[in-house]
Order: sequence, then structure tokens, then C-alpha cells
Amino acid sequence: GAGVSQSPSNKVTEKGKDVELRCDPISGHTALYWYRQSLGQGLEFLIYFQGNSAPDKSGLPSDRFSAERTGGSVSTLTIQRTQQEDSAVYLCASSPGRTGGWETQYFGPGTRLLVL
Amino acid sequence: GDSVTQMEGPVTLSEEACLTINCTYTATGYPSLFWYVQYPGEGLQLLLKATKADDKGSNKGFEATYRKETTSFHLEKGSVQVSDSAVYFCALTNTGNQFYFGTGTSLTVIP
Repeated sequence: GAGVSQSPSNKVTEKGKDVELRCDPISGHTALYWYRQSLGQGLEFLIYFQGNSAPDKSGLPSDRFSAERTGGSVSTLTIQRTQQEDSAVYLCASSPGRTGGWETQYFGPGTRLLVL
Repeated sequence: GDSVTQMEGPVTLSEEACLTINCTYTATGYPSLFWYVQYPGEGLQLLLKATKADDKGSNKGFEATYRKETTSFHLEKGSVQVSDSAVYFCALTNTGNQFYFGTGTSLTVIP
């Protein structure tokens, strides 16, 4: 079946512009995660959605970052007034959500964001 | 806070050599521990996991044992193959919500 997909695969933007990154999780997966991987760094947790529960936003680095998940499926990560330090690969992952976050996460290919 | 420290890379080995990639963690309570792998051009995928102390996760010839006394989860393989060339990430979660990943260790296996 189809895996997690993300779009765009690459995004180049100018400092100060807003960007939207999209994630399509595996059908039926209720848990969805966003991560950021900066050059030479590990994956940094950003936000977690589980079903209709309030998302865990504790990893968002600033109020310029926000995410939503419509209809319990597709998620959009929005970065407002982008800064050069936002340049990174943004990864999305989903999991079935039946037994909590200890399940296997299935990762998308990522969106590579470059802020000039 | 919770964190994972893993061995710096890159690591280059000859085919059939033994592999150990060190991973240590700092966490409260009893986290679940994971190794994820990213093959060239592909997304991250789960390699193995262990959810309690002394558990051994294994997959594709790789093993890792959850050692609470040393707060470690080292990845081992007795005989690596060229196809094992990838980046390996150690990770933990205490809550199931937040996952903490290491910086990744790049492995190259040469024939």
C-alpha cells in the first residue's frame, strides 16, 4: 500500500516568506508526527497528533511554527516569516495509534527546506 | 530532559566485519528504545526495538540489548554486508508522544 508522502520534496524560499509543508499519512493511521532534521543534528521532535485529541505541540521551536491536521488525515506544517536557521529537512511519520506511541513509525521522504 | 547520545561517524568497515554502534541514553523512568535505519535515497524505517530492561531487539542480523544498568542500547551485527550501508539512528520515548533521536551514525561497508 501507499506509504507516507510529503510535498513538496524540495522548497527554496526567501527569508521572511511563509511556507506550508504537507504530509499525507498512511490511510487509517491515527498518530502523526513532525520532525526537523538540521544539518549534523538528530531528528528534533516538533509536534504529535493522535486522533481527535489535542496535539502535543511541545516541540515547536517558536510561535512562527504551527501545524494542523484536517479530518484526522492530512497534516500541514506552516512556518511563518521564515529564517535561515529554519533550513532543514522536515520529516513526517505516522503510526496506527492503537497501542500508543511505542508502535513503529513510518516515515515519509521528507521536505528539504532552504531559506535564502 | 530525555536525550540520546550515539557514536559519531562515519564508520567504514570491510564486508564480513563486526559492527558495534554505541548508543547511550538519559531518561527518567523506563523508556522504550529503538534503532531506525535510513538507506540511501529512502526514508527512515524501524530496524528493531526493545520496550523493557534486558529485552533484546533483533532484525536482519542486527541485535541490541536494553541495558538499564549502563543506560545503553548498542547496535551489533556479527558480519556486515555492503547492503547494510546506511545511516543508523538510536531513539527513545517515555511517553509515546515525544521521541528523542540521536544524530545518526553513517555506516559504509566496502567489498
